[in-house]
Amino acid sequence: GENVEQHPSTLSVQEGDSAVIKCTYSDSASNYFPWYKQELGKRPQLIIDIRSNVGEKKDQRIAVTLNKTAKHFSLHITETQPEDSAVYFCAASITGGGADGLTFGKGTHLIIQP
Amino acid sequence: DAGITQSPRHKVTETGTPVTLRCHQTENHRYMYWYRQDPGHGLRLIHYSYGVKDTDKGEVSDGYSVSRSKTEDFLLTLESATSSQTSVYFCATGSRYEQYFGPGTRLTVT
Repeated sequence: GENVEQHPSTLSVQEGDSAVIKCTYSDSASNYFPWYKQELGKRPQLIIDIRSNVGEKKDQRIAVTLNKTAKHFSLHITETQPEDSAVYFCAASITGGGADGLTFGKGTHLIIQP
Repeated sequence: DAGITQSPRHKVTETGTPVTLRCHQTENHRYMYWYRQDPGHGLRLIHYSYGVKDTDKGEVSDGYSVSRSKTEDFLLTLESATSSQTSVYFCATGSRYEQYFGPGTRLTVT
């Protein structure tokens, strides 16, 4: 089955700087890659996603890039703010998430230093 | 967020007892999922459903069963709870691509 590796496990950045979280996946058939943000004690929230026919997608301060050849995708957060502090999860799916669920990375704890 | 609810939100039970967790959605989503979240493991898929009465196993299905008799409800049953099933359980629902999570149920098996 699919395997998703996520790095780093913890990332500390100064407020205003950029943060990058990277994930690799094993199954070349995967075609849907969402990112979730989870604050302490809360549910995971979908923040951005990308499909395999797209190389990059942006939404205000966040962006995701996908390299299908290398089987990796990344989350970029610019101009980080204190409210960006959370655990971020990447995920991958072969069928677009609809039919057989998502395989998640183990998460990155993002800490924004004031 | 209000479209997906889980009950109970917290439960403490003893080893060997059966436990049923309920997920209810008002989004009319076709697909529903159960995940468990444990420190160091992220989120792992237990079972999923692609329609009423249509379910299948995920990555960590041993010791769990599910049922879906209506579009809006997806039940997860631990037939005989074990301490290794102490976890936070999240239900999710979705359409073709996006998945949205419920608030979670914290289950402790003593």
